[in-house]
Amino acid sequence: GAGVSQSPSNKVTEKGKDVELRCDPISGHTALYWYRQSLGQGLEFLIYFQGNSAPDKSGLPSDRFSAERTGGSVSTLTIQRTQQEDSAVYLCASSLGTRGLYEQFFGPGTRLTVL
Amino acid sequence: AQRVTQPEKLLSVFKGAPVELKCNYSYSGSPELFWYVQYSRQRLQLLLRHISRESIKGFTADLNKGETSFHLKKPFAQEEDSAMYYCALSGRGYGNKLVFGAGTILRVKS
Repeated sequence: GAGVSQSPSNKVTEKGKDVELRCDPISGHTALYWYRQSLGQGLEFLIYFQGNSAPDKSGLPSDRFSAERTGGSVSTLTIQRTQQEDSAVYLCASSLGTRGLYEQFFGPGTRLTVL
Repeated sequence: AQRVTQPEKLLSVFKGAPVELKCNYSYSGSPELFWYVQYSRQRLQLLLRHISRESIKGFTADLNKGETSFHLKKPFAQEEDSAMYYCALSGRGYGNKLVFGAGTILRVKS
Protein backbone atom coordinates (compact mmCIF):
# COMPACT_ATOMS: atom_id res chain seq x y z
CA GLY A 1 0.00 0.00 0.00
CA ALA A 2 0.94 3.66 -0.10
CA GLY A 3 3.45 4.87 2.41
CA VAL A 4 3.71 8.21 4.16
CA SER A 5 3.75 11.06 1.69
CA GLN A 6 4.91 14.64 2.16
CA SER A 7 4.55 17.74 0.06
CA PRO A 8 6.21 19.69 -1.28
CA SER A 9 9.40 17.70 -1.68
CA ASN A 10 11.40 20.91 -1.90
CA LYS A 11 10.56 24.43 -0.80
CA VAL A 12 12.68 27.51 -1.25
CA THR A 13 11.45 30.63 0.48
CA GLU A 14 12.65 34.06 1.47
CA LYS A 15 13.40 34.98 5.04
CA GLY A 16 10.30 36.31 6.75
CA LYS A 17 7.77 34.39 4.65
CA ASP A 18 5.40 31.77 6.06
CA VAL A 19 5.50 28.15 4.83
CA GLU A 20 3.20 25.15 5.18
CA LEU A 21 4.43 21.59 5.00
CA ARG A 22 2.00 18.74 4.54
CA CYS A 23 2.06 15.13 5.67
CA ASP A 24 -0.28 12.33 4.58
CA PRO A 25 0.14 9.38 6.93
CA ILE A 26 -0.55 5.75 6.19
CA SER A 27 -4.28 5.10 6.33
CA GLY A 28 -5.37 3.88 9.75
CA HIS A 29 -2.30 5.15 11.57
CA THR A 30 -3.45 7.11 14.60
CA ALA A 31 -0.04 8.43 15.63
CA LEU A 32 1.83 11.02 13.59
CA TYR A 33 5.25 12.53 14.30
CA TRP A 34 7.23 15.46 12.95
CA TYR A 35 11.02 15.47 13.07
CA ARG A 36 13.64 17.84 11.69
CA GLN A 37 16.94 16.78 10.16
CA SER A 38 19.56 19.49 10.00
CA LEU A 39 23.34 19.60 9.70
CA GLY A 40 23.89 21.21 13.05
CA GLN A 41 21.29 19.42 15.14
CA GLY A 42 20.92 16.00 13.55
CA LEU A 43 17.50 14.37 13.76
CA GLU A 44 15.28 16.01 16.37
CA PHE A 45 11.71 15.49 17.47
CA LEU A 46 9.29 18.38 17.00
CA ILE A 47 5.74 17.27 17.86
CA TYR A 48 3.50 14.24 17.80
CA PHE A 49 -0.21 13.66 17.41
CA GLN A 50 -2.43 10.93 18.75
CA GLY A 51 -5.55 11.35 16.66
CA ASN A 52 -6.06 15.09 16.34
CA SER A 53 -4.52 15.91 19.71
CA ALA A 54 -0.90 16.90 20.25
CA PRO A 55 0.12 15.63 23.72
CA ASP A 56 3.75 16.62 23.24
CA LYS A 57 4.84 19.80 21.48
CA SER A 58 8.06 20.08 23.44
CA GLY A 59 10.31 19.88 20.40
CA LEU A 60 8.91 22.90 18.57
CA PRO A 61 11.85 25.33 18.58
CA SER A 62 9.85 28.56 18.88
CA ASP A 63 6.34 29.96 18.78
CA ARG A 64 6.82 30.54 15.05
CA PHE A 65 6.25 26.80 14.62
CA SER A 66 2.81 25.25 14.85
CA ALA A 67 1.14 22.09 13.63
CA GLU A 68 -2.33 20.71 13.33
CA ARG A 69 -3.96 17.50 12.31
CA THR A 70 -7.48 17.17 11.03
CA GLY A 71 -9.76 14.17 10.68
CA GLY A 72 -7.11 12.01 12.30
CA SER A 73 -5.26 12.03 9.01
CA VAL A 74 -3.45 14.86 7.23
CA SER A 75 -1.14 17.07 9.24
CA THR A 76 0.26 20.49 8.42
CA LEU A 77 3.38 22.00 9.94
CA THR A 78 3.43 25.79 9.64
CA ILE A 79 6.47 27.97 10.10
CA GLN A 80 5.80 31.68 10.34
CA ARG A 81 8.34 34.40 9.56
CA THR A 82 10.93 31.87 8.45
CA GLN A 83 14.56 32.35 9.42
CA GLN A 84 17.68 30.94 7.80
CA GLU A 85 18.19 28.57 10.74
CA ASP A 86 14.87 26.92 9.84
CA SER A 87 16.54 25.43 6.75
CA ALA A 88 16.40 21.66 7.17
CA VAL A 89 14.68 18.51 6.01
CA TYR A 90 11.35 18.08 7.77
CA LEU A 91 10.35 14.45 8.21
CA CYS A 92 6.96 13.06 9.03
CA ALA A 93 6.34 9.56 10.39
CA SER A 94 3.21 7.63 11.27
CA SER A 95 2.46 4.51 13.27
CA LEU A 96 -0.48 2.42 14.38
CA GLY A 97 -0.19 3.77 17.91
CA THR A 98 2.13 5.35 20.41
CA ARG A 99 3.49 2.25 22.08
CA GLY A 100 7.05 1.21 21.40
CA LEU A 101 6.02 -1.99 19.67
CA TYR A 102 4.55 0.05 16.80
CA GLU A 103 7.03 0.83 14.04
CA GLN A 104 7.24 4.40 12.80
CA PHE A 105 7.14 4.68 9.01
CA PHE A 106 8.85 7.75 7.61
CA GLY A 107 8.00 9.92 4.66
CA PRO A 108 10.55 11.18 2.13
CA GLY A 109 10.80 14.56 3.79
CA THR A 110 10.43 18.17 2.70
CA ARG A 111 13.68 20.02 2.14
CA LEU A 112 13.18 23.63 3.23
CA THR A 113 15.68 26.28 2.20
CA VAL A 114 15.31 29.78 3.60
CA LEU A 115 17.29 32.39 1.67
CA ALA B 1 17.46 13.46 30.28
CA GLN B 2 17.29 11.20 27.29
CA ARG B 3 20.38 11.14 25.15
CA VAL B 4 21.87 8.88 22.47
CA THR B 5 25.54 9.04 21.58
CA GLN B 6 27.10 7.65 18.44
CA PRO B 7 30.78 8.47 18.73
CA GLU B 8 31.79 7.79 15.13
CA LYS B 9 30.65 10.05 12.31
CA LEU B 10 32.18 7.77 9.71
CA LEU B 11 33.16 4.12 9.75
CA SER B 12 34.98 2.77 6.75
CA VAL B 13 35.60 -0.99 6.37
CA PHE B 14 36.48 -3.42 3.63
CA LYS B 15 33.95 -5.87 2.23
CA GLY B 16 33.94 -9.05 4.30
CA ALA B 17 35.30 -7.35 7.42
CA PRO B 18 33.31 -7.25 10.67
CA VAL B 19 31.37 -4.12 11.50
CA GLU B 20 30.45 -2.61 14.84
CA LEU B 21 28.56 0.67 15.05
CA LYS B 22 28.62 2.01 18.57
CA CYS B 23 25.67 3.46 20.43
CA ASN B 24 25.44 4.54 24.06
CA TYR B 25 22.41 6.00 25.72
CA SER B 26 21.34 7.72 28.89
CA TYR B 27 17.83 7.29 30.19
CA SER B 28 16.44 6.94 33.68
CA GLY B 29 14.18 3.97 33.19
CA SER B 30 13.74 1.16 30.71
CA PRO B 31 14.03 2.57 27.22
CA GLU B 32 13.26 0.89 23.96
CA LEU B 33 16.20 0.96 21.57
CA PHE B 34 16.18 0.99 17.79
CA TRP B 35 18.51 1.14 14.83
CA TYR B 36 17.29 3.06 11.78
CA VAL B 37 19.02 3.10 8.40
CA GLN B 38 18.92 5.54 5.51
CA TYR B 39 20.30 4.29 2.20
CA SER B 40 21.27 6.80 -0.47
CA ARG B 41 18.21 8.61 -1.84
CA GLN B 42 15.84 6.49 0.24
CA ARG B 43 13.72 7.29 3.23
CA LEU B 44 14.61 6.50 6.81
CA GLN B 45 13.54 2.98 7.76
CA LEU B 46 13.63 0.76 10.81
CA LEU B 47 16.42 -1.82 10.75
CA LEU B 48 15.86 -3.54 14.07
CA ARG B 49 14.69 -3.02 17.65
CA HIS B 50 15.91 -4.57 20.86
CA ILE B 51 12.55 -6.00 21.92
CA SER B 52 12.44 -8.18 18.80
CA ARG B 53 15.86 -9.71 19.40
CA GLU B 54 16.07 -10.54 15.71
CA SER B 55 18.72 -10.41 13.01
CA ILE B 56 17.96 -8.28 9.98
CA LYS B 57 20.20 -8.36 6.91
CA GLY B 58 22.80 -10.09 9.07
CA PHE B 59 22.83 -7.28 11.64
CA THR B 60 22.29 -7.85 15.35
CA ALA B 61 22.26 -5.56 18.36
CA ASP B 62 22.24 -6.49 22.02
CA LEU B 63 21.03 -4.17 24.72
CA ASN B 64 23.57 -3.98 27.54
CA LYS B 65 21.89 -2.19 30.43
CA GLY B 66 25.02 -2.25 32.57
CA GLU B 67 27.03 -0.39 29.96
CA THR B 68 23.97 1.46 28.59
CA SER B 69 24.95 0.41 25.09
CA PHE B 70 23.19 -0.94 22.02
CA HIS B 71 25.95 -1.54 19.50
CA LEU B 72 25.08 -2.76 16.01
CA LYS B 73 27.15 -5.63 14.66
CA LYS B 74 27.57 -7.62 11.49
CA PRO B 75 30.25 -10.28 11.04
CA PHE B 76 30.86 -9.74 7.32
CA ALA B 77 30.14 -6.36 5.75
CA GLN B 78 28.71 -6.10 2.25
CA GLU B 79 28.88 -3.15 -0.14
CA GLU B 80 25.10 -2.75 -0.01
CA ASP B 81 25.37 -2.06 3.73
CA SER B 82 26.81 1.37 2.94
CA ALA B 83 24.36 3.87 4.43
CA MET B 84 23.72 6.24 7.32
CA TYR B 85 22.81 4.45 10.54
CA TYR B 86 20.96 6.08 13.43
CA CYS B 87 20.56 4.70 16.90
CA ALA B 88 17.39 5.88 18.65
CA LEU B 89 15.50 5.40 21.86
CA SER B 90 11.99 5.95 23.09
CA GLY B 91 10.76 6.01 26.64
CA ARG B 92 7.54 4.66 28.09
CA GLY B 93 5.05 7.41 28.65
CA TYR B 94 6.60 9.66 26.06
CA GLY B 95 4.29 8.70 23.20
CA ASN B 96 7.02 6.68 21.53
CA LYS B 97 8.75 9.82 20.28
CA LEU B 98 12.22 8.95 19.14
CA VAL B 99 15.45 10.51 20.37
CA PHE B 100 18.15 9.98 17.76
CA GLY B 101 21.89 9.87 17.88
CA ALA B 102 23.92 11.96 15.43
CA GLY B 103 24.28 9.03 13.06
CA THR B 104 27.21 7.08 11.66
CA ILE B 105 28.00 6.80 7.97
CA LEU B 106 29.08 3.27 7.14
CA ARG B 107 31.18 2.97 4.02
CA VAL B 108 32.00 -0.54 2.80
CA LYS B 109 34.86 -0.59 0.31
CA SER B 110 35.44 -3.34 -2.24
